[in-house]
Amino acid sequence: QKEVEQNSGPLSVPEGAIASLNCTYSDRVSQSFFWYRQYSGKSPELIMSIYSNGDKEDGRFTAQLNKASQYVSLLIRDSQPSDSATYLCAVNMDYGGSQGNLIFGKGTKLSVKP
Amino acid sequence: DADVTQTPRNRITKTGKRIMLECSQTKGHDRMYWYRQDPGLGLRLIYYSFDVKDINKGEISDGYSVSRQAQAKFSLSLESAIPNQTALYFCATSPRAGYQPQHFGDGTRLSIL
Repeated sequence: QKEVEQNSGPLSVPEGAIASLNCTYSDRVSQSFFWYRQYSGKSPELIMSIYSNGDKEDGRFTAQLNKASQYVSLLIRDSQPSDSATYLCAVNMDYGGSQGNLIFGKGTKLSVKP
Repeated sequence: DADVTQTPRNRITKTGKRIMLECSQTKGHDRMYWYRQDPGLGLRLIYYSFDVKDINKGEISDGYSVSRQAQAKFSLSLESAIPNQTALYFCATSPRAGYQPQHFGDGTRLSIL
């Protein structure tokens, strides 16, 4: 069973703090990993992609990947109320014989308090 | 203009009706996907297509059918709608090369009474 697990939250952090979102996945040979942000009633928006072990930074966002532990995380520095959303972790896994479909976690709801 | 366009954006209909949701894209991507999203259940894959002649069932295809009319168009049909198909539906696209991210349309909110 291909699975991507996330804590559902809600995760509440004060404005200006670091928000840490975590994700584990079941398929050891997965190749690529993505974080999406989804505001309530809106579509998922890609915010980070990571393909290699280590850290990748983009502005206030840092994605971290550890393939040996099958773990990927997203850090949001200097959190703002506008960061309040649900964050979806997505992992490419071979699915039904087709290469590279995405398996999504159920998402972590983040609330940033002013 | 949106790269991935879904129509309609909202639809309310009755049990037993046939419904078609349409998706068109200008991104030039070969792969297209249909998902539904329900509270607490996340995104679930209904159907996916890697090109016009390659259509595959996802994890929850029962009660749904699809048509890939062209590289840029992928439609989802509910032949006889039932209330538990009430959900938010998303179309997504990705390039032919594997292991790429998907890009989503704005979604269709479907309510079946």
